Amino acid sequence: ETGVTQTPRHLVMGMTNKKSLKCEQHLGHNAMYWYKQSAKKPLELMFVYNFKEQTENNSVPSRFSPECPNSSHLFLHLHTLQPEDSALYLCASSQERRVDYEQYFGPGTRLTVT
Amino acid sequence: AQSVAQPEDQVNVAEGNPLTVKCTYSVSGNPYLFWYVQYPNRGLQFLLKYITGDNLVKGSYGFEAEFNKSQTSFHLKKPSALVSDSALYFCAVSGPSGSARQLTFGSGTQLTVLP
Repeated sequence: ETGVTQTPRHLVMGMTNKKSLKCEQHLGHNAMYWYKQSAKKPLELMFVYNFKEQTENNSVPSRFSPECPNSSHLFLHLHTLQPEDSALYLCASSQERRVDYEQYFGPGTRLTVT
Repeated sequence: AQSVAQPEDQVNVAEGNPLTVKCTYSVSGNPYLFWYVQYPNRGLQFLLKYITGDNLVKGSYGFEAEFNKSQTSFHLKKPSALVSDSALYFCAVSGPSGSARQLTFGSGTQLTVLP
């Protein structure tokens, strides 16, 4: 349960605010992911980092900006968000960026944009 | 393009009865298949996966899933349901290489086990 942690767990922000989500993994993994989970919709992969290098950006708007300073930490910087960006943001990690490796998820940050 | 279908938004089962959560997929080549579970206010937890080998895969908490290539299915099963199994279950699929390297998730099935 404590393998992947995310802070804050809940965040309410206005459309003009700037905030950051933080993720930390204690599993010694080399790949980290950001997902967006909206109600009744499949998980949407946003960004992938492998050995600190961004390997995938799934056409995510520039108001979302990821940062991966090392293999254990991942940030998602938020600015000028829209109400439709309200969702649960999940961080995950895996041993490597390989699709046959299972991913370990954090508890998520519930984001509300007002 | 790869896809996953979980045809039931909601499954209800009585405690002690067997449970099945359905999943069908579409992918080019041999699939990698996963089941994850999400409890309220928690992230997803890995249950089991099929990569290759035996079609019957056993996972955590007594769950198992059967890979059926001809029916392109990977249904999740448990012989005897517990109230604590109530949660949101996600099936996911990926192809082995190329553009299908991403994991595609289904929209989830809410399982409720009634006491």
